[in-house]
Amino acid sequence: GAGVSQTPSNKVTEKGKYVELRCDPISGHTALYWYRQSLGQGPEFLIYFQGTGAADDSGLPNDRFFAVRPEGSVSTLKIQRTERGDSAVYLCASTPTAGGLAGRSSYNEQFFGPGTRLTVL
Amino acid sequence: GDSVTQMEGPVTLSEEAFLTINCTYTATGYPSLFWYVQYPGEGLQLLLKATKADDKGSNKGFEATYRKETTSFHLEKGSVQVSDSAVYFCALSVEAGGTSYGKLTFGQGTILTVHP
Repeated sequence: GAGVSQTPSNKVTEKGKYVELRCDPISGHTALYWYRQSLGQGPEFLIYFQGTGAADDSGLPNDRFFAVRPEGSVSTLKIQRTERGDSAVYLCASTPTAGGLAGRSSYNEQFFGPGTRLTVL
Repeated sequence: GDSVTQMEGPVTLSEEAFLTINCTYTATGYPSLFWYVQYPGEGLQLLLKATKADDKGSNKGFEATYRKETTSFHLEKGSVQVSDSAVYFCALSVEAGGTSYGKLTFGQGTILTVHP
């Protein structure tokens, strides 16, 4: 079946511009994560959605970053007033079950998309 | 906070050589441990996992044992192939207070290159 997809695959923008990055998770997956991977580093957690709500946004670096998942499926990561330091690969991942006592999502494999490479000039 | 430390890379081996990539961690709760792999031109994918102490995860000839006493999860393979060339990431996910969001904390990655 279809995996996690992300669009665009590459995005080049100028400092100060606004960008939106889209993630289509695997159908039926309720949990969705965004990560950011800088060159030569491992991915770093940004935000986690359970259904439509952001259950944990502790990884967002500042208030220029915002993400939504209005219908519990597709998610959009939005970055305002981009800075050169925002340049990175932005990864999206999904898992089939919820977190919490029943879901034990820490055990579940996360399925990653190919990422969006953002370059801020 | 939670953190993962991987051995410095890159690692270059000849085909059929023995591979070890070291991984140690610190965690605020009881972690599940993972190895993810990123092949050239592909996305991250799970290689293996272990969810409790002394568990051994294995897949595609790779193995890693969850060692709580040494807070380690070293990746090993007895005989590497050219097709194993990739970037390998050790990661953990902590379950605290009976709940878990499943978010992953990754190491910095180790580049493995295997020559024929």
